[in-house]
Amino acid sequence: EDKVVQSPLSLVVHEGDTVTLNCSYEVTNFRSLLWYKQEKKAPTFLFMLTSSGIEKKSGRLSSILDKKELFSILNITATQTGDSAVYLCAVPTSGSRLTFGEGTQLTVNP
Amino acid sequence: DSGVTQTPKHLITATGQRVTLRCSPRSGDLSVYWYQQSLDQGLQFLIQYYNGEERAKGNILERFSAQQFPDLHSELNLSSLELGDSALYFCASSVGDRVVSYTFGSGTRLTVV
Repeated sequence: EDKVVQSPLSLVVHEGDTVTLNCSYEVTNFRSLLWYKQEKKAPTFLFMLTSSGIEKKSGRLSSILDKKELFSILNITATQTGDSAVYLCAVPTSGSRLTFGEGTQLTVNP
Repeated sequence: DSGVTQTPKHLITATGQRVTLRCSPRSGDLSVYWYQQSLDQGLQFLIQYYNGEERAKGNILERFSAQQFPDLHSELNLSSLELGDSALYFCASSVGDRVVSYTFGSGTRLTVV
């Protein structure tokens, strides 16, 4: 059975801290891995990773994929209160169906 | 605004009732996906339509059904509602059949009492 596991499930940090969120997966026919940020409602797309070892960056957020060890990390540097959200990792498991992890609830305190 | 429109935003209904959730995809997108997000199960894929045809089915209950109309909007019908159906229902859209970086709508929060 295809599986996506995120850790930690919950994280509380202070503004300015750097955080690393983890996502491991077990899927057949791996094609890509996606990260989403979910604040109050709709998940918003952050990154899609297909190649191992190539870092994707967007401002203070970056992500990298390790296809050999079957995991990805999402780094957020110099965190701000606006980074507080649930971060979701997802993998396409059949066609364009996404299997999501449980998410990491990140709280950034001022 | 993501461009994917879901209505209504909130819905409260009684057990045994039937409701219809509506989704208008982003302009130009042909694929529509429905997901259910409950507290204990995270985001679960329900069903996908592409250009009016059903493309993939997930763990969708027999009491639930969906369709995509010629104007590409989609409806998710939930019947014989149970307390456990209370959840956030998201619609997402993408331009192609196998494009996975799709855009989510803001969701419909369904509460069954």
